[in-house]
Amino acid sequence: SQKIEQNSEALNIQEGKTATLTCNYTNYSPAYLQWYRQDPGRGPVFLLLIRENEKEKRKERLKVTFDTTLKQSLFHITASQPADSATYLCAGNQGGKLIFGQGTELSVKP
Amino acid sequence: GAVVSQHPSWVICKSGTSVKIECRSLDFQATTMFWYRQFPKQSLMLMATSNEGSKATYEQGVEKDKFLINHASLTLSTLTVTSAHPEDSSFYICSAQGLAAYEQYFGPGTRLTVT
Repeated sequence: SQKIEQNSEALNIQEGKTATLTCNYTNYSPAYLQWYRQDPGRGPVFLLLIRENEKEKRKERLKVTFDTTLKQSLFHITASQPADSATYLCAGNQGGKLIFGQGTELSVKP
Repeated sequence: GAVVSQHPSWVICKSGTSVKIECRSLDFQATTMFWYRQFPKQSLMLMATSNEGSKATYEQGVEKDKFLINHASLTLSTLTVTSAHPEDSSFYICSAQGLAAYEQYFGPGTRLTVT
């Protein structure tokens, strides 16, 4: 079955460092991948979308890549801040629907 | 723009009762809305796709008679959990599709606890 998989282990980094989160997809080829931020007890907030024909996309301190050979997307937050601490979700399209990964919890320590 | 609200934000109900959750697109019209549920530390699982004026499409394993979805207008979809049981306790999140198929705007979620 089609799957989106993220590293379920929490990622702990020091303020100012770059956080890198991984998203892998299996058994299908999404036309695009989306990254969301989710805070505890809240709904997801859209961050970035990248299409399969785009290698990289940037928005302020965020950068996302799409590698169709590795079937992987990487999500980077540069110059991380404690306010970036949250769970980050990767989602791939399946027709008009989204398949979500389980999310990676990021904790940025001051 | 593109704000989606949910009501209530949390609800506690007794086992066997029914609960209705509302999802509204506040500043845009949404032909399609989606209902998800999320257990702690887990992914969002799509329950059903709701299209205005027609019957909802349920994902495999989701009981349509238990989770009643109504999408009576372009700005409102409702999810009714009928005869709720403790195992229905979860975080329910809706989203509304924007102009482009890839745009989904999420509501803040509703925490349901069944005692």
